[in-house]
Amino acid sequence: KQEVTQIPAALSVPEGENLVLNCSFTDSAIYNLQWFRQDPGKGLTSLLLIQSSQREQTSGRLNASLDKSSGRSTLYIAASQPGDSATYLCAVNDYKLSFGAGTTVTVRA
Amino acid sequence: KAGVTQTPRYLIKTRGQQVTLSCSPISGHRSVSWYQQTPGQGLQFLFEYFSETQRNKGNFPGRFSGRQFSNSRSEMNVSTLELGDSALYLCASWPDSQETQYFGPGTRLLVL
Repeated sequence: KQEVTQIPAALSVPEGENLVLNCSFTDSAIYNLQWFRQDPGKGLTSLLLIQSSQREQTSGRLNASLDKSSGRSTLYIAASQPGDSATYLCAVNDYKLSFGAGTTVTVRA
Repeated sequence: KAGVTQTPRYLIKTRGQQVTLSCSPISGHRSVSWYQQTPGQGLQFLFEYFSETQRNKGNFPGRFSGRQFSNSRSEMNVSTLELGDSALYLCASWPDSQETQYFGPGTRLLVL
């Protein structure tokens, strides 16, 4: 059974600081890995999708890396803003999405 | 394009009742999946449908069932509700050519 772990569970940083969110998974036989953002009481918004054959994916201030052999992915958010405050979820796709518990980020103005 | 829509958005039921939740995918998307989100268990996969066929199923009891119609709309049903079924139920859809899943706002179910 795929187990997905996200560290840290919560993070509070001042505006402008770079964010580093970690995700690890136990079974490396995956099709892809996705990072989502969830605002309180809302659905999920897809941020980045990395195919199993890729090492990283970038979109604006976001960059995600994938090391499938070691079962790790990292999401970097550059120059954080208060609007980045949310819960960030990592999900691995091995015929279904298996989610981590998320990292709740607070960016202080 | 309109996003994934879910109805109703909020629902209160009592133990033993049954409930049906609806999901309308983005136009053109034939794949739909359902997830349950609770504070204790996080996000857990329920089912996946493609062209009216269930492709995958998660580890939930038989009280949880679903179906997909010819227009790709999907419904999930929970019979004999238990207190532990209180959760946010999320639906997602995606096109044949992509793997990014687009999520709806969810239906928040409270079982009393």
